[in-house]
Order: sequence, then C-alpha cells, then structure tokens
Amino acid sequence: GAVVSQHPSRVICKSGTSVKIECRSLDFQATTMFWYRQFPKQSLMLMATSNEGSKATYEQGVEKDKFLINHASLTLSTLTVTSAHPEDSSFYICSAPGPGLAGAEQFFGPGTRLTVL
Amino acid sequence: AQTVTQSQPEMSVQEAETVTLSCTYDTSENNYYLFWYKQPPSRQMILVIRQEAYKQQNATENRFSVNFQKAAKSFSLKISDSQLGDTAMYFCAFMKRGFGGSEKLVFGKGTKLTVNP
Repeated sequence: GAVVSQHPSRVICKSGTSVKIECRSLDFQATTMFWYRQFPKQSLMLMATSNEGSKATYEQGVEKDKFLINHASLTLSTLTVTSAHPEDSSFYICSAPGPGLAGAEQFFGPGTRLTVL
Repeated sequence: AQTVTQSQPEMSVQEAETVTLSCTYDTSENNYYLFWYKQPPSRQMILVIRQEAYKQQNATENRFSVNFQKAAKSFSLKISDSQLGDTAMYFCAFMKRGFGGSEKLVFGKGTKLTVNP
C-alpha cells in the first residue's frame, strides 16, 4: 500500500523558535495533503489542506501566519510552526489520498510530537 | 456541513468476544464514503474498513464488519473474536465522494476500546 512518512517523529524546541515538519508520499504522488493536530485523548482536528503549486486552504480558526504550509512538490508538504509557544505542543499528523482508484483512502504519516518548552 | 457522532467514549470487551462500536453521521450528500480507522498506542492511523454509500452490501474485512444503515445515517463497526491487539482508539470518519483526492475526512471523537485477557 501507499506509504506516507513524516520527519521528525519528535521535536523539542524553545519558545519563540520555529519548527518545520515534513510530510512525504514515498511511492506515489499527492497533489493534495492534509495536516491535522491531535491533543491527548482527542480526535484529529483538520488544520489545513495543502495543495501542490498553490496556496494552502486553512480551516476556520487556524492562523495561517502561525502555521505555514508549503507544498513544494508532488511528494512533499511542509508545515512550519512559527514562533512556537507551549500551547502549540501537540501531535501533528499528515495524510495524503492514495493513488488512482485508492484515492478515496487517506494514508497517514506516523505523526510528529512537538514539545515547546 | 457534515458531522460524525460517536456516543461511546470508552468500551471494553473480553478477549474472543464480540463488540459493536456505534457511529451516526449527518449529511445532505448522497455520494460519500464512511471509514473506521484504528489508532493504537503508537498513534499510527490504520484503516480498518471502508464503506461506499452507494453500495447496499455491508463491508467486511476478516473479523471486522459494518452495519451500514443509510436512511438512518448509522454506521456501526462489529469486531468479532476480539484480540488483545484490537485495543486502540477507533474513529469513525466521513468523506464526500469527489474527484482529484481533495476531499477531506470528518472524524468523530473516537471510542477507546480495551480488550481484556
């Protein structure tokens, strides 16, 4: 099946710094990728839809200047948390729709745990 | 807007027994997909089963089956012969049927399932 990777798996940073998280589709191309945030014991909350070659679409209430998304190629989307603060600490997950007829299925990355001190 | 409701925050079952997780949804769409995803302690999202709304036949995947009631907007998951490895969070999700893979998933709040030895 299609594989999505994320890097890094864990990151700890100081308050005020920026952190970049990468999401890659390893064996297929994805013109669209999705970014989610998940707090402990809660569901996944969609933050934004990343579109290759165009601007990301953000969900209501998500600060686009805070969470910068760049979909630079058909296999890579990045999420940059700018000027991170402790309240940004969370688990971030990306997904991509599968290729061809599998397009109805989303393939998820393993997630990135961000801790802001 | 679509909503997905999982009314059971937590459930438990004895190993080898059968358990049913409930899910209801609300939508005005006629063409859509429904999913059950599993999130074990590793937090990797794993697709358990998928149902296409236009198909009347309930989907099955080995020990996992669904009871899809389109008119009632109900989509329950039955796990037979429960195994310890089934212990996880289970999320019900809805996705409009679209083109190009740009449709987003709408998740329920999840049900934490514990399988006891």
